[in-house]
Amino acid sequence: DAKTTQPTSMDCAEGRAANLPCNHSTISGNEYVYWYRQIHSQGPQYIIHGLKNNETNEMASLIITEDRKSSTLILPHATLRDTAVYYCIASINTGTASKLTFGTGTRLQVTL
Amino acid sequence: NAGVTQTPKFRILKIGQSMTLQCTQDMNHNYMYWYRQDPGMGLKLIYYSVGAGITDKGEVPNGYNVSRSTTEDFPLRLELAAPSQTSVYFCASSYSRPPGPYNEQFFGPGTRLTVL
Repeated sequence: DAKTTQPTSMDCAEGRAANLPCNHSTISGNEYVYWYRQIHSQGPQYIIHGLKNNETNEMASLIITEDRKSSTLILPHATLRDTAVYYCIASINTGTASKLTFGTGTRLQVTL
Repeated sequence: NAGVTQTPKFRILKIGQSMTLQCTQDMNHNYMYWYRQDPGMGLKLIYYSVGAGITDKGEVPNGYNVSRSTTEDFPLRLELAAPSQTSVYFCASSYSRPPGPYNEQFFGPGTRLTVL
């Protein structure tokens, strides 16, 4: 799996958009970008994934650059409950078990 | 659906003792995984299984064993516990529908293990 690089921590004011960047410059053509988050000591929670098109669901939007070397996770209206560690993961999905490699992620602190 | 359940929530072991961490999922997922998470670190894959009777090693399998006799259960066995195995252990499951891109892992609440 391609290595991903994320900032160690970020702050965001409640109600504002949180934009979390991720670099994956060595990503291969068949690797997807996955985002998970982990809220204080709980098990990680899947947020969104994409291959090359931008994706949106009820939780977030994922913007992937045209060259696929970086992406941004957007939480449009951050709340205090979004305070968590966010993991960006690049992984292939061939229909076999996805062996996700979790780095240390970005610790997002949402404040009043 | 209860999702992925793990027992126990907490456990303290003495060096050299053994134990089994239980994991059960009720989503009829084919794939199951065991991860460990050390303080301030990301998760590392210990073992995974693609179906009943089939298991394979992940990144850090030494000191652990697994079995998968049913679709629902994927227990993790620690033999001869060591302080280096002090960690939080997460079980996860997923259903992959090849060749589609969807592969979301569902995680349990974790087991906090301390080896003294």
